[in-house]
Amino acid sequence: AQTVTQSQPEMSVQEAETVTLSCTYDTSESDYYLFWYKQPPSRQMILVIRQEAYKQQNATENRFSVNFQKAAKSFSLKISDSQLGDAAMYFCASPNQAGTALIFGKGTTLSVSS
Amino acid sequence: NAGVTQTPKFRILKIGQSMTLQCTQDMNHNYMYWYRQDPGMGLKLIYYSVGAGITDKGEVPNGYNVSRSTTEDFPLRLELAAPSQTSVYFCASSYQQGGSGNTIYFGEGSWLTVV
Repeated sequence: AQTVTQSQPEMSVQEAETVTLSCTYDTSESDYYLFWYKQPPSRQMILVIRQEAYKQQNATENRFSVNFQKAAKSFSLKISDSQLGDAAMYFCASPNQAGTALIFGKGTTLSVSS
Repeated sequence: NAGVTQTPKFRILKIGQSMTLQCTQDMNHNYMYWYRQDPGMGLKLIYYSVGAGITDKGEVPNGYNVSRSTTEDFPLRLELAAPSQTSVYFCASSYQQGGSGNTIYFGEGSWLTVV
């Protein structure tokens, strides 16, 4: 079965600093997408960034970027210049075996202090 | 712009009762999903649908049933509610299959407590 592993249940960062959240996944596909979602206390699921596996270049969305290591099946999220509004639970997601839906890791709770 | 709408937002059920969580989307999306999120955990896929009349099981389907008679609606039925079904339920949709890079849009969640 496909699995997504987030090994850091909690992380903390100070405002304006940089933090990296880790994720590893398991898939037998050669082309696929990976995702990071943010879930603030409101519980709304917000797409942060996505990465297509066949693209060598790491995806970037403003202060959010990924470090995608395909051979290692690693997909970490880097948040630069952290802001108080970044405090949330972050989920890594990869396709299920059929490619029809996403499966999620257990999440990393990020706290941001001023 | 409604997006994905779930009702009810909150519900308390007694053990053994049944209920239906309603989900509707107005984006003409083919794919729809039901996830559950237990406290402090990630989302687990319950069921999904690739179009009207077609549904398939996800990771944790036991105790639930779904149907997809229209493109817009994807209700989730809980039969004989158990305390283990206490969770937050998310309905979601995407135009094409979510595992292929298409953006999945989530509803705001339905909090269900079984006592």
